[in-house]
Amino acid sequence: KNEVEQSPQNLTAQEGEFITINCSYSVGISALHWLQQHPGGGIVSLFMLSSGKKKHGRLIATINIQEKHSSLHITASHPRDSAVYICAVSRNTGNQFYFGTGTSLTVIP
Amino acid sequence: NAGVMQNPRHLVRRRGQEARLRCSPMKGHSHVYWYRQLPEEGLKFMVYLQKENIIDESGMPKERFSAEFPKEGPSILRIQQVVRGDSAAYFCASSPDREYYGYTFGSGTRLTVV
Repeated sequence: KNEVEQSPQNLTAQEGEFITINCSYSVGISALHWLQQHPGGGIVSLFMLSSGKKKHGRLIATINIQEKHSSLHITASHPRDSAVYICAVSRNTGNQFYFGTGTSLTVIP
Repeated sequence: NAGVMQNPRHLVRRRGQEARLRCSPMKGHSHVYWYRQLPEEGLKFMVYLQKENIIDESGMPKERFSAEFPKEGPSILRIQQVVRGDSAAYFCASSPDREYYGYTFGSGTRLTVV
């Protein structure tokens, strides 16, 4: 079983819809990251969370440490939001990140 | 602040050749991490380096792969005698310290072995 599980694997939405991507993890973590990867492109770090909630523009990320669960929300989705969104955790022991397999989001005009 | 710079963006090598991938961390960042993304798979950790030291190479294949982060210059991921299975996107990330605050990824190097 992967240490980090994301759902859904694929998501198609109409422009303007509210989108939620979920991430569950099974290990002790020091922080959780949400990353964005465009097709053929690099990776951008959207958020780093260790507790609570963060907001940046139309993006909101929340984390519940007790439940080992995080969500990424996109309000008023737009076609340019189409990308793969990856959840990653940095463990509180060791040096590496563990990554979810990503959620491929397509927003249709 | 130019961010994490990786070059080349695309690299084509014939089987048996050597591939050298470069990563220049952000200014002020002394921690470098290499990740590999195989086609249709998620990112996997390879190695974590600080200046002149390999801290954790638990994700590196035992043979043909090596990494360094010299006192001066970029971090280098070296793959000797490449095989088709090495074709992947290789990402570098850097951070100013162990706590991952300011963690930044490069744009990646896409290696194709023909």
